[in-house]
Amino acid sequence: DTGVSQDPRHKITKRGQNVTFRCDPISEHNRLYWYRQTLGQGPEFLTYFQNEAQLEKSRLLSDRFSAERPKGSFSTLEIQRTEQGDSAMYLCASSSQDRSQETQYFGPGTRLLVL
Amino acid sequence: AQSVTQLGSHVSVSEGALVLLRCNYSSSVPPYLFWYVQYPNQGLQLLLKYTSAATLVKGINGFEAEFKKSETSFHLTKPSAHMSDAAEYFCAVGRGYNKLIFGAGTRLAVHP
Repeated sequence: DTGVSQDPRHKITKRGQNVTFRCDPISEHNRLYWYRQTLGQGPEFLTYFQNEAQLEKSRLLSDRFSAERPKGSFSTLEIQRTEQGDSAMYLCASSSQDRSQETQYFGPGTRLLVL
Repeated sequence: AQSVTQLGSHVSVSEGALVLLRCNYSSSVPPYLFWYVQYPNQGLQLLLKYTSAATLVKGINGFEAEFKKSETSFHLTKPSAHMSDAAEYFCAVGRGYNKLIFGAGTRLAVHP
């Protein structure tokens, strides 16, 4: 069990550029979640997948944000035309399809800074 | 709808003193509750969880929490603080296979 991994760990970009983040969940987990955490706040839910199906999206996920999980394994989160307000830590988590487990395991996060 | 309130954004204790981090929740359904810890520039690590079994839950690193339905609380405690406990702690409500709703967090400082 290698845990949830995220790439890159840090990203600095200029306003208006597009960025893409990747998340690799724990291998046997079929649910994958994205959260955003701004400075001094708790994580806020963005979206989640069961296998390749995107089951729920938060109102925080504007049309500049898109998430995919094409083969039900890794996921990508793309932000188009970045704004300074997008600066945050983007966290990915995964959980088992076994509802008795009831635990989300988090990756180290990708810290985005938009200049 | 579900929500979490963490009282006290910063808590400071002496090494060896009791740690008490407060969490109150609101939930229209029987809640599942979680405490996570976050060290600087890292992701979240699960400390413990309540999933409708025993109301006193023991977690890692000597932490425990008690679910009190009448008080809608799930406070986190540790009898004796260690320097390595300095971190940010988040309480969350939800189901582990669905979205979690997090509180704003409490930063714990431990001084000698």
